[in-house]
Amino acid sequence: AQKITQTQPGMFVQEKEAVTLDCTYDTSDPSYGLFWYKQPSSGEMIFLIYQGSYDQQNATEGRYSLNFQKARKSANLVISASQLGDSAMYFCAMRGANTGNQFYFGTGTSLTVIP
Amino acid sequence: EAQVTQNPRYLITVTGKKLTVTCSQNMNHEYMSWYRQDPGLGLRQIYYSMNVEVTDKGDVPEGYKVSRKEKRNFPLILESPSPNQTSLYFCASSLGGSAYYEQYFGPGTRLTVT
Repeated sequence: AQKITQTQPGMFVQEKEAVTLDCTYDTSDPSYGLFWYKQPSSGEMIFLIYQGSYDQQNATEGRYSLNFQKARKSANLVISASQLGDSAMYFCAMRGANTGNQFYFGTGTSLTVIP
Repeated sequence: EAQVTQNPRYLITVTGKKLTVTCSQNMNHEYMSWYRQDPGLGLRQIYYSMNVEVTDKGDVPEGYKVSRKEKRNFPLILESPSPNQTSLYFCASSLGGSAYYEQYFGPGTRLTVT
């Protein structure tokens, strides 16, 4: 069975500092994709970053990077130089190559950026 | 503009009154899906569709129906809504069912069943 675990219900970070949001996963698929989404208070789901299980390098998109440790089955999101607009819910998600029909989400982490 | 649209955005209804939430995408995506979001539970998949006339159950399909008669549309039907179906619903689409494709989400439909 596929499972995504986010153990931090809420996080606080000072503006301009970096923050790491944790995500661990469990899958029997040999090949899979990992995704992070942001949900601001307005409610929409915004795709942030993707990491493929066979990618050799950690994914990076602007201020977002994914710290992928395959052996530990973790895919932590790092946000550098936090901004007030980063305050939101963040969801980690996974899709397996053999079970790509289904998309599994974690329970989310609420991030608050403090001025 | 590439997008996924949902209607209505907000809906208050009573127990047992059939309703349909529409979903449409203009990206020619093969894969479409419905999720519900509840506090503390994240997003849970209700149904998904790999292509026209191909649908399958997700993790929480009870009480819901879907159909995919056209590639762009994927309506969610609640034939006899109950209060435990009060939730925030998202429709999403992706290019295909591969593990490497991200999903694009609609704006969400907030449903209240009294």
